[in-house]
Amino acid sequence: AQKITQTQPGMFVQEKEAVTLDCTYDTSDQSYGLFWYKQPSSGEMIFLIYQGSYDEQNATEGRYSLNFQKARKSANLVISASQLGDSAMYFCAMREGRGSEKLVFGKGMKLTVNP
Amino acid sequence: DTAVSQTPKYLVTQMGNDKSIKCEQNLGHDTMYWYKQDSKKFLKIMFSYNNKELIINETVPNRFSPKSPDKAHLNLHINSLELGDSAVYFCASSLRVRQGAGDTQYFGPGTRLTVL
Repeated sequence: AQKITQTQPGMFVQEKEAVTLDCTYDTSDQSYGLFWYKQPSSGEMIFLIYQGSYDEQNATEGRYSLNFQKARKSANLVISASQLGDSAMYFCAMREGRGSEKLVFGKGMKLTVNP
Repeated sequence: DTAVSQTPKYLVTQMGNDKSIKCEQNLGHDTMYWYKQDSKKFLKIMFSYNNKELIINETVPNRFSPKSPDKAHLNLHINSLELGDSAVYFCASSLRVRQGAGDTQYFGPGTRLTVL
């Protein structure tokens, strides 16, 4: 079974609009971490935001926020005020358990920001 | 200053050859990783080392051999390259902490390997 599911293969958004990228996860661990990474066309993997399973507040990093709904096992990334430079692949990932080193990635989704 | 660096960025080689990819991190992290990203962009962990000790070894052919001379370096050697090895290989590093965002993995720029 997939641990991380990103069902949207691609999305289009107008510049300056907000966009939500979906991610659902599957784990039986109580302690886990959720991550979002961005991969622009240049190929590097850029860490965006982290949410711990015990964190009571949704994580925020600048224009990025994570809509964490633990009961629904979803960790959607919200990008506010989209910019052209936000066009990229976005990957959701999970680290299961305390001290586990393994990140399990979703298949990714491609976001295109239109001017 | 580059935090996680890999060399080379591109590697084109013939089937059957042996090649190495080098990775270095200057973040003071104690855990390093190799991931493979296939043609469909799917990322999967291959290996993880903590302080030069192998801690994760996914089901990877034994033609792939990681080597960690010290905790700042993790190299990947591939013997007898096959067409299916063509992919982007990412090195990453993190601090091995038990909780929180401190164990975020930071990735290198990737090495695009093409086997002809």
